[in-house]
Order: sequence, then C-alpha cells, then structure tokens
Amino acid sequence: EAQVTQNPRYLITVTGKKLTVTCSQNMNHEYMSWYRQDPGLGLRQIYYSMNVEVTDKGDVPEGYKVSRKEKRNFPLILESPSPNQTSLYFCASSFKVTYEQYFGPGTRLTVT
Amino acid sequence: KQEVTQIPAALSVPEGENLVLNCSFTDSAIYNLQWFRQDPGKGLTSLLLIQSSQREQTSGRLNASLDKSSGRSTLYIAASQPGDSATYLCAVLNSGGSNYKLTFGKGTLLTVNP
Repeated sequence: EAQVTQNPRYLITVTGKKLTVTCSQNMNHEYMSWYRQDPGLGLRQIYYSMNVEVTDKGDVPEGYKVSRKEKRNFPLILESPSPNQTSLYFCASSFKVTYEQYFGPGTRLTVT
Repeated sequence: KQEVTQIPAALSVPEGENLVLNCSFTDSAIYNLQWFRQDPGKGLTSLLLIQSSQREQTSGRLNASLDKSSGRSTLYIAASQPGDSATYLCAVLNSGGSNYKLTFGKGTLLTVNP
C-alpha cells in the first residue's frame, strides 16, 4: 500500500530532551516536507527537501533540523524542544513538488 | 506574499444538500491548486488537483473550479452525506524560479446533518 508513515504518533516529552520524528514514504517520491498545524494558524511549512541531500527552510524552521540521506526517509529533529513546539506535525511527499501531495497521519507532540 | 482565505470558516447543512466551499488567493501567479480533506485528528487526504491551465476537475460528487485571474477556486459537493463531514482545505502552489511554495488556507469545517 502506497503511504507516508510517521513515528511516533503521539509523544510527550520534557523541555530540552532531544527527539526525532521519523517520516518514511514507499512511493519513490522526490519531494518531502514537514508541516506543523496549530489552532488558528493553520498549516505552516517547517522544512522541505526537493531530493536526496537537498533540503531548505520553510516558513518556521527555527528549533528544527532535518536530513535527507535516503530518498524514502526525512526525519525531523528537535535538538532542544521547548513548549512552543507543542503541535501536530505532518510529513508529506510527492513525486515532484508540482504533483499531488500525500500526507502522513500526523504526530502529536507535547513538550512540558 | 501569498495569502489564502477560505470562507466560511464553518458550515452546517442538512444531508442531501448541494454546497459550495470557497477559496481565494491574493497572488494569481499560481502553478496549481489542491483541495484536501482532513478528518479530526488525522492527516490530509488529497481530493483534487487543478493545474493553472485548467478550469475545473471532477471526482465523483466533487467538482473543483479555478478562476486564476480573479484568484478564486470553489469546491462543489453534490448530494452531501454525513460522511462528508470534515475540514476542507485548499492549498496553492507558487513558483519563483527554482523555488516552490505551498500555501494553505485555514479550512472550512463542514458538518452534514442526517
């Protein structure tokens, strides 16, 4: 089944404890991206990757890191999480950026 | 900077009604526009993608139109059903050279009452 998977789906952590949210797609897509969704603010892009080893900042990159060493994986790293990073996170992928976007199921992160 | 607005923010209709959701955008130089559906606590599901050169796309009971010059798109849902209840989001893709940016609206929360 063609899909985008994210892990974990739910995470509660404490301020400053490094964490990684994984994202994987099995559709051989070149383009991948991360979003956060907050009430009243909608979806905002954190980082995106046009292809392997090619990443760039979105609208709200502060406090996040990404890497794209393999085509299928695009992990989101929070080196020192803070409470303002409490949010619902989505990974998305597409064959190329101009094609239909496929979203993962989301990761609900709470930082206390 | 592209801004995408969806009006109304919420809509409640009785089952069987035909309805229209609206999406407007400020920068008409778009590459494409995509409509999504989001169920509570879940990810986004793509419904329709309209290229900038197209006027409309259809899928089952859904029809999306695009008027690029006026910066508007509509999503028409025919014979609505309770299972259509969800938040509907539109997103526009702009390009600037080799850079692309996808901008989302905040969505319309649709409730279809049995």
